[in-house]
Amino acid sequence: QVQLQQSGPGLVKPSQTLSLTCAISGDSVSSNRAAWHWIRQSPSRGLEWLGRTYYRSKWYNNYAVSVKSRITINPDTSKNQFSLQLNSVTPEDTAVYYCARVGQHGELDYWGQGTLVTVSS
Amino acid sequence: QSVLTQPPSASGTPGQRVTISCSGSSSNIGSNTVNWFQQLPGTAPKLLIYNNNQRPSGVPDRFSGSKSGTSASLAISGLQSEDEADHYCAAWDDSLKGWVFGGGTKLTVL
Repeated sequence: QVQLQQSGPGLVKPSQTLSLTCAISGDSVSSNRAAWHWIRQSPSRGLEWLGRTYYRSKWYNNYAVSVKSRITINPDTSKNQFSLQLNSVTPEDTAVYYCARVGQHGELDYWGQGTLVTVSS
Repeated sequence: QSVLTQPPSASGTPGQRVTISCSGSSSNIGSNTVNWFQQLPGTAPKLLIYNNNQRPSGVPDRFSGSKSGTSASLAISGLQSEDEADHYCAAWDDSLKGWVFGGGTKLTVL
């Protein structure tokens, strides 16, 4: 059974960097049959895909156009986890952030528990 | 404004069959498979349907999915009070090169 456990601060000041980590159990961040995603949800924007990292003989990343200049998703093979960094945050980045896995059949099948991140001074 | 279009609400009485629609375009639903999720308040979305009509283990067969062209549907038969939740569709978009979601449909069991 795959489990994703999120960690990170729930409050970030404007202009600073939002950092979250997603620890994986029951699978490997280096799996060549899975991809690891970050998604956020807010009342104003709904569910919004942010980006992914995955390994297919080498590492790949894809990011949403809306955050491409500010986002980094990194795998950490030594800890079997992956992280999200979102720079220069504004109150518009306030949302519940989820990490999630896409399996080999294109299914978004496992999600983290969610982290409410509030951007406020 | 979500890329995929869903009705904001749906309702039914216990035992009834309800369908929720999801409309997209050629770059998402028209060329990729559809996932459906159920979300209870304060929890993460739960996968109900993948690959248009496949159910993960543990999802009751009361839930079914279909796709035609650039639209998809989720059907729930034998409606139960525990089905009251928000339901979302999602698909990969080849133009945006990312996942896109519907705005969600709030299902009420009367």
